[in-house]
Amino acid sequence: QSVLTQPPSASGTPGQRVTISCSGSSSNIGSNTVNWYQQLPGTAPKLLIYSNNQRPSGVPDRFSGSKSGTSASLAISGLQSEDEADYYCAAWDDSLNGPGVFGGGTKLTVL
Amino acid sequence: EVQLVESGGGLVQPGGSLRLSCAASGFTVSGNYMSWVRQAPGKGLEWVSVIYSGGSTYYADSVKGRFTISRDNSKNTLYLQMNSLRAEDTAVYYCARSSFLDYWGQGTLVTVSS
Repeated sequence: QSVLTQPPSASGTPGQRVTISCSGSSSNIGSNTVNWYQQLPGTAPKLLIYSNNQRPSGVPDRFSGSKSGTSASLAISGLQSEDEADYYCAAWDDSLNGPGVFGGGTKLTVL
Repeated sequence: EVQLVESGGGLVQPGGSLRLSCAASGFTVSGNYMSWVRQAPGKGLEWVSVIYSGGSTYYADSVKGRFTISRDNSKNTLYLQMNSLRAEDTAVYYCARSSFLDYWGQGTLVTVSS
């Protein structure tokens, strides 16, 4: 059972806009920033969004992030076939006296 | 160029030990948060441990008391000493840089089985 809650799956057709949610609590998302990672099949995760809504260099502006209260969202516009991957949210958690926490991951399928 | 290369994975019996290494280049390990994240086969990501630039260390409850994170500044290398290994520790182990986990290694597979 992951500390952060994500839907296990999402889907969309090419060109569509899809969103993936990430729900937490006051000790994690409520008091820390959220990061998002993309994991293509058979590869290491890659940082997609950091500090709620910042894109690292090289990440297309089709990807955007937002946060409100204890929830966060990743939006992908102009969906492309190469966006088919697993997506994870993560945040630090002030209550655990440990490292950060991840969501369970969302498998995005491009139909 | 930032690069992280893990090594040390393999097959180990339950109760055994293993030490993973993560050789860094393009930045200094001592100046960054450095983490270990694992992924069991077909499962999601689990943040296992972190060492702050100041040296403080933190562990997930699932590994507390069994795993130890450390670094060798002279070798610019991060380590994860894993003792009392269990079947549920079987996973690909990744090292990653910074509080954002902005760079990841390719991972090393640890299999705990008799």
